Amino acid sequence: QVQLVQSGSELKKPGASVKVSCKASGDTFTDHGMNWVRQAPGQGLEWMGWINTNTGDPTYAQDFTGRFVFSLDTSVRTAYLQISSLRADDTAVYYCARAHDSGTYALGYWGQGTLVTVSS
Amino acid sequence: DIQMTQSPSSLSASVGDRVTITCRASQTVYTYLTWYQQKPGKAPRFLIYGASNLQTGVPPRFSGSGSGTHFTLTISGLQPEDFGTYYCQQTYTTPTFGPGTKVDIK
Repeated sequence: QVQLVQSGSELKKPGASVKVSCKASGDTFTDHGMNWVRQAPGQGLEWMGWINTNTGDPTYAQDFTGRFVFSLDTSVRTAYLQISSLRADDTAVYYCARAHDSGTYALGYWGQGTLVTVSS
Repeated sequence: DIQMTQSPSSLSASVGDRVTITCRASQTVYTYLTWYQQKPGKAPRFLIYGASNLQTGVPPRFSGSGSGTHFTLTISGLQPEDFGTYYCQQTYTTPTFGPGTKVDIK
């Protein structure tokens, strides 16, 4: 079955960058896009955007433009989220998630989440 | 963006109770509505898509209904393992989530 395994927790200083990975297995990597979802401590879910795993084209939600970059390495079936110029309010769990079927944003498969903590 | 609201924000119910959570959209999303369950420290679990379609493996005590701007998630016969926070998400346009409904077991 589909599995998404994310990289481990990160502790970063303000102004630094972080790159979170999400390795997929269990189906054809390029059949479905990869979404990213943020959850700040004690808060709800925010859809950050997605990347087309066929073309590499990213789409960013309005609040996630500029410092956030989605990328892929299809040779190792892995998607990446890079955040630059980190701020304290970037502290959150970041999830990768795959749609349960083609052409939908209904997220059927989720990684375990990666906690990014930004603190001096 | 389409705004999603949920009510109540939290509830406490007994095992065996029928629980209903409401989700409303600021404009029509037709039936492009998904429900998730999340437990503390865990990733969300995909429950229902297309407003009323139960994901494989989800117990049939969960059901979803609605269309347009008004949706409900019903748990018929609450079980101890159903505690957690439930989120709706519209997928008609740029996806947005509701703020969540926290369900506690009395």
